[in-house]
Amino acid sequence: DAKTTQPPSMDCAEGRAANLPCNHSTISGNEYVYWYRQIHSQGPQYIIHGLKNNETNEMASLIITEDRKSSTLILPHATLRDTAVYYCIVRNNNDMRFGAGTRLTVKP
Amino acid sequence: DSGVTQTPKHLITATGQRVTLRCSPRSGDLSVYWYQQSLDQGLQFLIQYYNGEERAKGNILERFSAQQFPDLHSELNLSSLELGDSALYFCASKGANTGELFFGEGSRLTVL
Repeated sequence: DAKTTQPPSMDCAEGRAANLPCNHSTISGNEYVYWYRQIHSQGPQYIIHGLKNNETNEMASLIITEDRKSSTLILPHATLRDTAVYYCIVRNNNDMRFGAGTRLTVKP
Repeated sequence: DSGVTQTPKHLITATGQRVTLRCSPRSGDLSVYWYQQSLDQGLQFLIQYYNGEERAKGNILERFSAQQFPDLHSELNLSSLELGDSALYFCASKGANTGELFFGEGSRLTVL
């Protein structure tokens, strides 16, 4: 079973930052936090991952709390094409189990 | 394009039948994961292979089986199909260096 908790849905205005929270209170020291998204019924797409430090790439930023019990994915300037289901996963070796994710709707 | 190829893209069959879904991972990736996604449901992890060996097992039914061949492609076999097996089946390969998953576009199975 998934080890993460995410809100089922969120809305965001186009052009604004989308902040997607994830709770992973049982995370252990060697487990990474991964984020993926799935647009409609396409194959999920990798976004970003991190262990302890905050990370940034061309798609998003990942903020991990100091105790590592939660994280936030930030899409700095959301566009309509960012409407998707966003999955937060805690990776334990080979185990890559997805939860229900957050359905983000970006509105004009 | 993720580099992961899945065939067929669409498949329609009848209850009780058997089908095989095929996955070719990205060049150089040794790990293959299979997931099932029913309509409006999340991704259910089925099974993972690494270099030909089963490494992790999820919610895979006994009617389903999989294998990874020496050339690293993988096949998911679904038998005695039921209406409830209608779903999208995704394959993903895992990058060796970063551990991220690269997903194929899925095989949509419809059981009538």
